Amino acid sequence: GAVVSQHPSWVICKSGTSVKIECRSLDFQATTMFWYRQFPKQSLMLMATSNEGSKATYEQGVEKDKFLINHASLTLSTLTVTSAHPEDSSFYICSARHGTSRQETQYFGPGTRLLVL
Amino acid sequence: LAKTTQPISMDSYEGQEVNITCSHNNIATNDYITWYQQFPSQGPRFIIQGYKTKVTNEVASLFIPADRKSSTLSLPRVSLSDTAVYYCLVGDGEGNTGKLIFGQGTTLQVKP
Repeated sequence: GAVVSQHPSWVICKSGTSVKIECRSLDFQATTMFWYRQFPKQSLMLMATSNEGSKATYEQGVEKDKFLINHASLTLSTLTVTSAHPEDSSFYICSARHGTSRQETQYFGPGTRLLVL
Repeated sequence: LAKTTQPISMDSYEGQEVNITCSHNNIATNDYITWYQQFPSQGPRFIIQGYKTKVTNEVASLFIPADRKSSTLSLPRVSLSDTAVYYCLVGDGEGNTGKLIFGQGTTLQVKP
């Protein structure tokens, strides 16, 4: 149980285009999901908190107009990288909270590799 | 958010027990301690989670002293496939926002 999937697993796009990444909780419902990015040889950096039915909360320094997050259902959150540029090339990982109100655990997706040419 | 401190790297040999200690001096009352394993180009994989004392599952044990200011992940009889980065995080307790802030993690290298 507690499986999180991401689609696509990798994507290559031209500079200036927009890319959508999906994050799904396959066997549980998640009111809260998170988006991270990870550069080579570095740790995960939290980008934003995705809340079902409400606006996402972005971490300081993350442009909300560039990284659009939509959490339209209890099992799906999407991250859209708008007008992507080469510096947006990175490994994007989502996670979903699972558990009771007293104790929750985050389960992570397999990640999406984005390469912007 | 509580910050965690771990050794940057550790080396071990196949068959040995590996203990990775994490310091979290500012852990909140409601925070749980969770350890993840990450292989290159993959998302972090949940290993174990605990609140206090000792927790054991099929892959690892987690030791948490009474003051909860540190924790130790114990991996019994490691193999080459355990070579990975291990992250210690605190959070996810009742009323918690759920935000997890990743530190640098511990890169474990298992040698034959």
